[in-house]
Amino acid sequence: DAGVIQSPRHEVTEMGQEVTLRCKPISGHNSLFWYRQTMMRGLELLIYFNNNVPIDDSGMPEDRFSAKMPNASFSTLKIQPSEPRDSAVYFCASSRTNTGELFFGEGSRLTVL
Amino acid sequence: GESVGLHLPTLSVQEGDNSIINCAYSNSASDYFIWYKQESGKGPQFIIDIRSNMDKRQGQRVTVLLNKTVKHLSLQIAATQPGDSAVYFCAENKNTGNQFYFGTGTSLTVIP
Repeated sequence: DAGVIQSPRHEVTEMGQEVTLRCKPISGHNSLFWYRQTMMRGLELLIYFNNNVPIDDSGMPEDRFSAKMPNASFSTLKIQPSEPRDSAVYFCASSRTNTGELFFGEGSRLTVL
Repeated sequence: GESVGLHLPTLSVQEGDNSIINCAYSNSASDYFIWYKQESGKGPQFIIDIRSNMDKRQGQRVTVLLNKTVKHLSLQIAATQPGDSAVYFCAENKNTGNQFYFGTGTSLTVIP
């Protein structure tokens, strides 16, 4: 079975540009999570969806960040405009609602110059 | 605010020895904990979990111990192998949904 699929794996962009990260969760998983990982702050939960509905977005840093889940098999995390401090690895993870175990994608490494 | 933290950022062990990785949590309402392993360039992978109604759980070469009195969690790896070299995270679920909050991680290096 395919795991969580993220794209792009690497992105380098300039400050002010729009960045869109994409995620396809594991089929049948009802919950989807976006995390950001940096050396200084570790893994931070940005937003969590359950059955395509955003449940908790308290971790989203600011209005420049937005996330959508238009259907059960696709989610996006958008940063507009991007800033150098947004440079990090962004992980998407999915789980069956009641089991807790998160299955992570390989991550999208973002560098904002 | 409340946080999940790790005592040691790095740990080096000799191949074949046992490893112990520690984690402190501060939210007494947390009822479910998971240990994850993250290899370089990859996403975290599930190792073992434990619920708050247990104090010990064993898997293959790994054991998780939970001490709710002092809010402490540990991961024990028996007969550590070079393939165990990775960053290990503990994560807690605060019983308010399906969200997990991760500690900062401990980097384990196994010396052949």
